[in-house]
Amino acid sequence: DTEVTQTPKHLVMGMTNKKSLKCEQHMGHRAMYWYKQKAKKPPELMFVYSYEKLSINESVPSRFSPECPNSSLLNLHLHALQPEDSALYLCASSQDSWGYGYTFGSGTRLTVV
Amino acid sequence: AQSVTQLDSQVPVFEEAPVELRCNYSSSVSVYLFWYVQYPNQGLQLLLKYLSGSTLVESINGFEAEFNKSQTSFHLRKPSVHISDTAEYFCAVSEGGGSNYKLTFGKGTLLTVNP
Repeated sequence: DTEVTQTPKHLVMGMTNKKSLKCEQHMGHRAMYWYKQKAKKPPELMFVYSYEKLSINESVPSRFSPECPNSSLLNLHLHALQPEDSALYLCASSQDSWGYGYTFGSGTRLTVV
Repeated sequence: AQSVTQLDSQVPVFEEAPVELRCNYSSSVSVYLFWYVQYPNQGLQLLLKYLSGSTLVESINGFEAEFNKSQTSFHLRKPSVHISDTAEYFCAVSEGGGSNYKLTFGKGTLLTVNP
């Protein structure tokens, strides 16, 4: 298995809703990431988990809450989002060495209404 | 701090023409360099990477990139493009040292291949 699987592929939520994005990989990668990508822009790093511990938080608002239940799963819990949070949310994973690049999932297209 | 500059935001070319997408980076330490491709409504796929060794790296679909340390460049080339190569291409750099897993991306180059 050489994939990163993200669910759901599309999500529409209201500003008062609570929802979660899920990411799963079975490649034995020990680093996992959440990125946010707005249209026609590069991905922007949000969070990094290394060996299931949060190692980087790029000053993301608290309405985004990451969780890493085990080495294969990464969740992003969403609460009280704003319309400007609408974007493609990408999950990625990598080996525990920074030189090997990331494997990205296909993303969740989030629309906040 | 590391940074990546992709000099062209859009590159239109005709099918079967050669193409070069330019990428320059800035870093005070040794780096690893990557090219990712993103097709419409999809995630990013790793196209090729430079870690060490030969400065010319190739992908399975005909792209190649050359690491030039003196010019701090990692330009992507293909001698003959296809319609299916139409996509957004991102250059990225990962800086060495410690446990920093952060990739820094350039702003992307939209390659449009016309018939």
